[in-house]
Amino acid sequence: SQQGEEDPQALSIQEGENATMNCSYKTSINNLQWYRQNSGRGLVHLILIRSNEREKHSGRLRVTLDTSKKSSSLLITASRAADTASYFCATVQGGKLIFGQGTELSVKP
Amino acid sequence: GAVVSQHPSWVICKSGTSVKIECRSLDFQATTMFWYRQFPKQSLMLMATSNEGSKATYEQGVEKDKFLINHASLTLSTLTVTSAHPEDSSFYICSSTGSYTFGSGTRLTVV
Repeated sequence: SQQGEEDPQALSIQEGENATMNCSYKTSINNLQWYRQNSGRGLVHLILIRSNEREKHSGRLRVTLDTSKKSSSLLITASRAADTASYFCATVQGGKLIFGQGTELSVKP
Repeated sequence: GAVVSQHPSWVICKSGTSVKIECRSLDFQATTMFWYRQFPKQSLMLMATSNEGSKATYEQGVEKDKFLINHASLTLSTLTVTSAHPEDSSFYICSSTGSYTFGSGTRLTVV
């Protein structure tokens, strides 16, 4: 499979806590992207980090990228119940956007 | 920003019938589109890449005769699930290749 791996597969936290999700990929990349998907809905593009960047912030989101380890992490700070969703990383491989397995995040109020 | 409109959002069909799913790029031209399938609790699996004016490129294991893809214009790509069976029940979603914009998805249920 071309898909990378994400862990954890599922994460349950309380509102206000931070949530960290990890993603590993297999090939060299130009960039890595994170997406959010609410249950049964389309995907929302959250953030793109380029291969020459190590960290990027967007609001309560913080993404890191370690190209030597072929891994990335997504941190959501001060989580809210509305953050409950599935989160996927994705990379472009051979011109195709390939997704990781995803992390299902549940934020309990 | 770029918007991809996908229709229908859900469809229920009888086994053996065909279903067409449309994806339109509303404010930009999309020469290529990705089509994905997603089973419950799983990730998105790329099925094929549609190319405007030429044949689609299918991923390994995807039956091109069953999943017909047409990209007749720069703003419209369609996926037709032919002779649908219950195992084809899934969430189908398209994406423009340049803007990382996704359609809202189509929930297909074959009964």
